[in-house]
Amino acid sequence: SQQGEEDPQALSIQEGENATMNCSYKTSINNLQWYRQNSGRGLVHLILIRSNEREKHSGRLRVTLDTSKKSSSLLITASRAADTASYFCATDAVDSNYQLIWGAGTKLIIKP
Amino acid sequence: DTEVTQTPKHLVMGMTNKKSLKCEQHMGHRAMYWYKQKAKKPPELMFVYSYEKLSINESVPSRFSPECPNSSLLNLHLHALQPEDSALYLCASSQSSRLGYEQYFGPGTRLTVT
Repeated sequence: SQQGEEDPQALSIQEGENATMNCSYKTSINNLQWYRQNSGRGLVHLILIRSNEREKHSGRLRVTLDTSKKSSSLLITASRAADTASYFCATDAVDSNYQLIWGAGTKLIIKP
Repeated sequence: DTEVTQTPKHLVMGMTNKKSLKCEQHMGHRAMYWYKQKAKKPPELMFVYSYEKLSINESVPSRFSPECPNSSLLNLHLHALQPEDSALYLCASSQSSRLGYEQYFGPGTRLTVT
């Protein structure tokens, strides 16, 4: 089942620009994770942010979490062609003890 | 070694065939997962194994039969599949089946049912 919605569904930017993707969810969560998936391949974990955290950084990635708005954003700075991929958020709801709830994903294309 | 391997990478099978997908991890993870992913969709959870025991079956049809021979291996046995079962099948592992741990995914098996 999906509780996350990601926006935009697709994003195309020039190499070197920053890319921002948003994820909204419906129920209270313990954690929110972001994953990247290159075309037709497995997913790669990018970052996990806990419900008591507001911001987290990893290299060129910055994730924010606003539990009052039930939303998160993923910012990729100084984008590269290799960042071209689909990005998914996944949450674990407070009332679910085993299943990640996935967003629909954002398709990011970096133009050289 | 932070890798999850899956074989085969591609599989084409007829509706009467029996085949198996294999997954292996050597990270000492105690939870392993099978997901199904259709094009342009997020992954859908099928099965969860925790400490080599099936803990979650997300109402998956019996033509999919999981097996966990040991803590490093996970199989998915396929029999009498339908064309709509064509998809990318992803295996994943994590330290625990409790949430709050990142999942490590394999590259997937692209399955086509003819």
